[in-house]
Amino acid sequence: EPEVTQTPSHQVTQMGQEVILRCVPISNHLYFYWYRQILGQKVEFLVSFYNNEISEKSEIFDDQFSVERPDGSNFTLKIRSTKLEDSAMYFCASRYDREVSYTFGSGTRLTVV
Amino acid sequence: TQLLEQSPQFLSIQEGENLTVYCNSSSVFSSLQWYRQEPGEGPVLLVTVVTGGEVKKLKRLTFQFGDARKDSSLHITAAQPGDTGLYLCAGMGRDDKIIFGKGTRLHILP
Repeated sequence: EPEVTQTPSHQVTQMGQEVILRCVPISNHLYFYWYRQILGQKVEFLVSFYNNEISEKSEIFDDQFSVERPDGSNFTLKIRSTKLEDSAMYFCASRYDREVSYTFGSGTRLTVV
Repeated sequence: TQLLEQSPQFLSIQEGENLTVYCNSSSVFSSLQWYRQEPGEGPVLLVTVVTGGEVKKLKRLTFQFGDARKDSSLHITAAQPGDTGLYLCAGMGRDDKIIFGKGTRLHILP
């Protein structure tokens, strides 16, 4: 069964450093998403991406965050200057169209120290 | 703001018992999904319900969408230790994003 692949599975970074979280969505999917889950809290929407642009973003997704689809396969989330409170599981998701369900990746655990 | 409230937050029962988990909102959702999430993993979709009053069965799991499409329930019959996990309900809200509940952590005792 097709999967959404995320790398790395775990990233530890110093506060203030930039991180890039990578995702390879399912190949024929057109809609892409990032969600995050702070430990013990619920999964929260960050951003949706379609047709090479952001279609929706939450208040969490401030100027420190950016997304990119640099080629036909990767979908990346960049955090420019990480803060302690950015520590969380970050999940990428994709779907073919808005009539079908999402497929989530296994997540990247980001730890900011 | 669209919110989903799940109850109970935690549930520990004996193997073989039945249980029901609830997901409630004051908002209407176009569809509602139930996920199961293992530690360190992403949510895995169990079912999507779309029509008010819809009932779907997945082996011993029965999912129901409320008539008004504001609430849902997950009923497990004869729970097994393998059912242990975190169950999340999630509604498809406005603007193409999923709104998640906080989850119900289920523990089935052998």
